[in-house]
Amino acid sequence: AQTVTQSQPEMSVQEAETVTLSCTYDTSESNYYLFWYKQPPSRQMILVIRQEAYKQQNATENRFSVNFQKAAKSFSLKISDSQLGDTAMYFCAFMTSGYALNFGKGTSLLVTP
Amino acid sequence: SAVISQKPSRDICQRGTSLTIQCQVDSQVTMMFWYRQQPGQSLTLIATANQGSEATYESGFVIDKFPISRPNLTFSTLTVSNMSPEDSSIYLCSVGLPHYFGPGTRLLVL
Repeated sequence: AQTVTQSQPEMSVQEAETVTLSCTYDTSESNYYLFWYKQPPSRQMILVIRQEAYKQQNATENRFSVNFQKAAKSFSLKISDSQLGDTAMYFCAFMTSGYALNFGKGTSLLVTP
Repeated sequence: SAVISQKPSRDICQRGTSLTIQCQVDSQVTMMFWYRQQPGQSLTLIATANQGSEATYESGFVIDKFPISRPNLTFSTLTVSNMSPEDSSIYLCSVGLPHYFGPGTRLLVL
């Protein structure tokens, strides 16, 4: 079974600074997808970024980028130029062969002025 | 990305009753997923709902408790049956690859 671990329950960052959220996973599969989702207080789950395991290049979406280390089974999210609207729960997720998602426990990120 | 709506957005129910949650998508999708998010917790998959076949349930979830219908490629329902306070959660449907999520249904069981 695939497991996803987020070791940082809470993090805080000042506006305009950079923060990195950690995620590790365990799988025996060679091809898979990884995702970061954001859940603001409004509770809507929003896709932040995704990474296909067969791609060596790290995914980037504007201020969001990942550091994907396949051998180490690590998938961290870097948020640059943090904004107040980035305050949310961030979930790392692994897509199984059945296309369902296994989620980590989440990291609560607070962006302060 | 798909636009997904859920009804109701929230409800307060008495124990022993049942609630049916609807999920409507603005485009045809093969696979739909139902997740549960207990208070302060992460999301857990309840079942995968494919049109034209029986839903596939994850360990710990059974059809008698969480019956699912998938009558067409744009719609699905999840029923939470014989509710207890432990069923108080947010229930979310999702579709697509990558997953896009509905806004969720917040359920409180008294």
